[in-house]
Formats: sequence, C-alpha cells, structure tokens
Amino acid sequence: NAGVMQNPRHLVRRRGQEARLRCSPMKGHSHVYWYRQLPEEGLKFMVYLQKENIIDESGMPKERFSAEFPKEGPSILRIQQVVRGDSAAYFCASSRADTQYFGPGTRLTVL
Amino acid sequence: SQQGEEDPQALSIQEGENATMNCSYKTSINNLQWYRQNSGRGLVHLILIRSNEREKHSGRLRVTLDTSKKSSSLLITASRAADTASYFCATDAGPLAAGNKLTFGGGTRVLVKP
Repeated sequence: NAGVMQNPRHLVRRRGQEARLRCSPMKGHSHVYWYRQLPEEGLKFMVYLQKENIIDESGMPKERFSAEFPKEGPSILRIQQVVRGDSAAYFCASSRADTQYFGPGTRLTVL
Repeated sequence: SQQGEEDPQALSIQEGENATMNCSYKTSINNLQWYRQNSGRGLVHLILIRSNEREKHSGRLRVTLDTSKKSSSLLITASRAADTASYFCATDAGPLAAGNKLTFGGGTRVLVKP
C-alpha cells in the first residue's frame, strides 16, 4: 500500500521561475490538501481539492499560486514567478474521511 | 492567529520517562489529531480523537480531550530515543463531516536522551 507520494522531494528555483509540485494521493482517497511549513513552525493550510474541483482555497495567496487535481494524474501545486519568501516545505495530504495522511513533502528553495 | 497552541514548546527527558504535551484551541471542533514529525521529514499520523470522546489510547500513547477547556494532551509513556521528534496537534473545525482543513499548532519539540 503506497502512501501519499510527492515529487520532487527537493526543488531549487531562481527568483522569477516557476515551481511545479506534484502529489499522488493514497489509493482510494478522493480528498487532497496542500499545506506549507516554514522552518520551526507548524503547517499552514493552503487548499483542499477533490477531483477536478477546488473545494476550499482560503489559505492560498491571491497571486502566483494555483492548484489543480485533474481527473487523471496527480494534483499539482503551481507557483509562478517564485520569490525568496516562497522557500518552504510544501506538504500534500490525502484522506477518504477525516484522517489526513501526509506525504514526505517537497522542499522548495528559491535562490 | 493559530487555532492550536502547544505547550511546552520544547521538552527534554531521559529515556524511560514519560513525556506530556498539551494543546489548546479556540473554536469548537469535530476532531483533534496528533502528528509526529522527525527532522526534515513528513508527518506521521498518531491518533485522532473526536469531540464526543474524552480519552484514547494507542500503544504507548494516551490522548485526552477536554472540550469544555478546549484542550488536549498527549502522553508518551516509557519514552525511547526514537520518540525524539516534533509533535503537532491539529484541529478539524468543520463545517463538513469530512474533508475539512486542519489547523496546526506550532509544535512541541521533544528530545529523548539515551
């Protein structure tokens, strides 16, 4: 039973480039969540998606960030024109009901 | 402001001792979940306690929930060096029965010395 998978595990981008983070939920899970974690802090909710639908994006920055969960394939978190402040660990979680299972995260470093 | 606040922020104990950490939150919740995070790793789900439950056990873990005080505690008994990690509480405050975002506290960093 594969857990939540995220790739890449580490991503380095220069300011102004785009970052694409991928998340494959656990088998049978239809809910996907993205969270961001800054060093020495807890996780902050960004967005909650089901297949082809964004359910709650109350934690997403208004500009440069977008997320999708297409009918086929992984969920994608996209950050356009990255800035140094986007450097963080981005975690994806999936659930079938109320317990959320987390992936290993993508650590984004913006130079 | 954070929904969950852990206390203490850091805890250092000897192997074999018990570790207790607390979490307070502000609004009514559906459930509260505890997670462990080893340095630089993802989160491991430890235990979920629902708002109508008061205590739950899983192996060496014991979680309590007091909804009147809006607080929860996590007790790790007979700690081991491998328990060294950060522990986070996360609250599900609805409004749905499932599929709600979790609000995390800042975590308690636990160091278990051999």
